[in-house]
Amino acid sequence: LAKTTQPISMDSYEGQEVNITCSHNNIATNDYITWYQQFPSQGPRFIIQGYKTKVTNEVASLFIPADRKSSTLSLPRVSLSDTAVYYCLVGDLADRKLIWGLGTSLAVNP
Amino acid sequence: DGGITQSPKYLFRKEGQNVTLSCEQNLNHDAMYWYRQDPGQGLRLIYYSQIVNDFQKGDIAEGYSVSREKKESFPLTVTSAQKNPTAFYLCASSPRRDTEAFFGQGTRLTVV
Repeated sequence: LAKTTQPISMDSYEGQEVNITCSHNNIATNDYITWYQQFPSQGPRFIIQGYKTKVTNEVASLFIPADRKSSTLSLPRVSLSDTAVYYCLVGDLADRKLIWGLGTSLAVNP
Repeated sequence: DGGITQSPKYLFRKEGQNVTLSCEQNLNHDAMYWYRQDPGQGLRLIYYSQIVNDFQKGDIAEGYSVSREKKESFPLTVTSAQKNPTAFYLCASSPRRDTEAFFGQGTRLTVV
């Protein structure tokens, strides 16, 4: 099982780019990397998923180096509404040992 | 509107009573999941189902039961055997286990 490590908290300001890095040294060959966002008292919301190199969608980019032992979620020009907890997951949702961990609590300040 | 619906949003029960949490999806997803989240913690998998009439235990299945009689529905029963049932319960669905999951808004269960 690939355990993930990400910062517990981060602070930023409106309009800045935020990069959250997740390390997953024991990632398996067939594991995808997925990021979710969660607001208090709500269900997580899918942000982005990737396997290798770079993936970009309308809200974020995901950078994965060749060795896949880490990944970086990039949020361009954050706003106050991006204040949330961000989870990095490696593996699939039905894995009974999948660890969501504490995530990274991002605070965006005015 | 396609989505996943959990009800109720808040639920109070007396200790020793069984309670069933509802989860319905109209996304035509095969896979459905139940998670539990305690304050300040990440999610933990209770049960998942990949197809109708089939489900598998997650990491913390003790004290819980599920059924999957219809593709759209995956109710979770919290039994009196669950030692610490007070928590935030989240239901999710996805086309497959390795794809994007859609979560409901959650049910906050308080047992007194």
